[in-house]
Amino acid sequence: GAGVSQSPSNKVTEKGKDVELRCDPISGHTALYWYRQSLGQGLEFLIYFQGNSAPDKSGLPSDRFSAERTGGSVSTLTIQRTQQEDSAVYLCASSSRTGSSYNEQFFGPGTRLTVL
Amino acid sequence: KQEVTQIPAALSVPEGENLVLNCSFTDSAIYNLQWFRQDPGKGLTSLLLIQSSQREQTSGRLNASLDKSSGRSTLYIAASQPGDSATYLCAVRRSGGGADGLTFGKGTHLIIQP
Repeated sequence: GAGVSQSPSNKVTEKGKDVELRCDPISGHTALYWYRQSLGQGLEFLIYFQGNSAPDKSGLPSDRFSAERTGGSVSTLTIQRTQQEDSAVYLCASSSRTGSSYNEQFFGPGTRLTVL
Repeated sequence: KQEVTQIPAALSVPEGENLVLNCSFTDSAIYNLQWFRQDPGKGLTSLLLIQSSQREQTSGRLNASLDKSSGRSTLYIAASQPGDSATYLCAVRRSGGGADGLTFGKGTHLIIQP
């Protein structure tokens, strides 16, 4: 594929509802990352997947957030019982590895989530 | 905890000027540093990646330097053009065991006046 794609581009939901955000990484990239960009906080790391290893969930803000990556490719970020403070742009990135080197991360266009 | 600071927060200069954007980080144990640009309402575009063992990287009119020991990086933009107007973000990846994502600065909002 040409680049990282994300869907939907915009999502408006009501407080308390669950949402799912999707990311398609660049073909062949083994690493996938989720970030959140909000006005007050800037860009913050959420979760990282590398190959078939257990994900690094150290950035998830609460247990309402979870993510999975099926077949080492597509990833879904799920937010349960959404709150207004979850409103942000959710960005996905992917990268390749060369030996033990981490290569540059390429970002998707993001999903703008608005919780009413 | 790693903290990344970018100075200035905003910059407005006439077209044609050379300019320098600054980035500093508190923990020098980094794996690499990456510079991005972000246009309004868009995702991030990678500009340059500097591995911790490198001192600088160049791409066209852009040059990024890294001084890991002092926790600093600069992005030099030569002969600025209105199309360079964007927010420029600096991000570092930590080194050591395990792996996590990038830690970002809050960016420099750059306006190039025609």
